[in-house]
Amino acid sequence: NAGVTQTPKFQVLKTGQSMTLQCAQDMNHNSMYWYRQDPGMGLRLIYYSASEGTTDKGEVPNGYNVSRLNKREFSLRLESAAPSQTSVYFCASSGPQRGAGNIQYFGAGTRLSVL
Amino acid sequence: QQQVKQSPQSLIVQKGGISIINCAYENTAFDYFPWYQQFPGKGPALLIAIRPDVSEKKEGRFTISFNKSAKQFSLHIMDSQPGDSATYFCAAVYSGAGSYQLTFGKGTKLSVIP
Repeated sequence: NAGVTQTPKFQVLKTGQSMTLQCAQDMNHNSMYWYRQDPGMGLRLIYYSASEGTTDKGEVPNGYNVSRLNKREFSLRLESAAPSQTSVYFCASSGPQRGAGNIQYFGAGTRLSVL
Repeated sequence: QQQVKQSPQSLIVQKGGISIINCAYENTAFDYFPWYQQFPGKGPALLIAIRPDVSEKKEGRFTISFNKSAKQFSLHIMDSQPGDSATYFCAAVYSGAGSYQLTFGKGTKLSVIP
């Protein structure tokens, strides 16, 4: 059981280059999320998709775009990468769990360096 | 505006000791408080969680204490082991909007020394 799968695991970009981070989950979850993790900053929400067909901005959306391709897949795109986007990116998903709060399951992360 | 404040930033505990990590929140609409554990090179994973109608929850060596009036909650790790060395994040969730956004604290790096 794979859970949440992110690709690639590592990436080095030059300033101005574009790339798409891929995320897929096999838990039939409705909601999916993209976070970035920086030292001393915790995890900050970039974008989320509460359900297939919807996306919303999180805390730090500038410089990013997302696509909820289908229920399984949620991609994050950097159109013109900047050094400030050097970070570890995590995708997460969660299912409807009424009465039990929300449990988000995280992928292993993509480590991105922008030179 | 940081809605969940976590302390300390780092913590060193002797094997067998008690590790205590504290969090405070501001938004009284939060209705679910999970703790996540993250090992180096891995994604965070849910460790234990509590709802605000309960003052304490225990799972093995891990206990959450919750003080609703003070808007504070804490994680206690009893009999800390070197394998507990990881970064711990507290979080808060508001589930009323139909999407379950987690607001994280900035994390505590725990090192348990033999």
